[in-house]
Amino acid sequence: KNEVEQSPQNLTAQEGEFITINCSYSVGISALHWLQQHPGGGIVSLFMLSSGKKKHGRLIATINIQEKHSSLHITASHPRDSAVYICAVSRNTGNQFYFGTGTSLTVIP
Amino acid sequence: GAGVSQSPRYKVAKRGQDVALRCDPISGHVSLFWYQQALGQGPEFLTYFQNEAQLDKSGLPSDRFFAERPEGSVSTLKIQRTQQEDSAVYLCASSAYRPTEAFFGQGTRLTVV
Repeated sequence: KNEVEQSPQNLTAQEGEFITINCSYSVGISALHWLQQHPGGGIVSLFMLSSGKKKHGRLIATINIQEKHSSLHITASHPRDSAVYICAVSRNTGNQFYFGTGTSLTVIP
Repeated sequence: GAGVSQSPRYKVAKRGQDVALRCDPISGHVSLFWYQQALGQGPEFLTYFQNEAQLDKSGLPSDRFFAERPEGSVSTLKIQRTQQEDSAVYLCASSAYRPTEAFFGQGTRLTVV
């Protein structure tokens, strides 16, 4: 059983579209992280959330603690947004992260 | 350097060969994590260090996997007698203390042939 579930697994969008990636988790957490991984590259941290909403440029992340759900939104998507987006949680017990399997996003010009 | 550095970036090993993967965390970061990421999957936890102490090694898949961080900074993940199923990207992450914001390295892509 995965502690963290993401959807969709794969997503193709036209440039300019509004994109939403969803993450649900089943354990108590201290924080939820959205990460970006480009092919052949390392992982970059986009957001760390424990409540509410954060915005950085065209990226918006929200979290609902009661529903154990988070969303990552990309407005006015661009081909350079093409990457794998990974949701991860850090638990309020223990010291590790638990990762979702990632959402592979392709934005077509 | 400013970020987490891993070396080598790519490693091809013959089945049965021993390999050593290095991680240089951000200076001063107490926590260091190793993860294994199979193709098309999310990272899976391998082991965790707080300074030089290996506090959790529950994710190491077999006794062929060994990690150390003798001086509380650089860490080495060693895989003995590599097998094809060990082929994966091995990611290292460090953070200042408990998993608040973690910083990830570029990963080492290991291919066992």
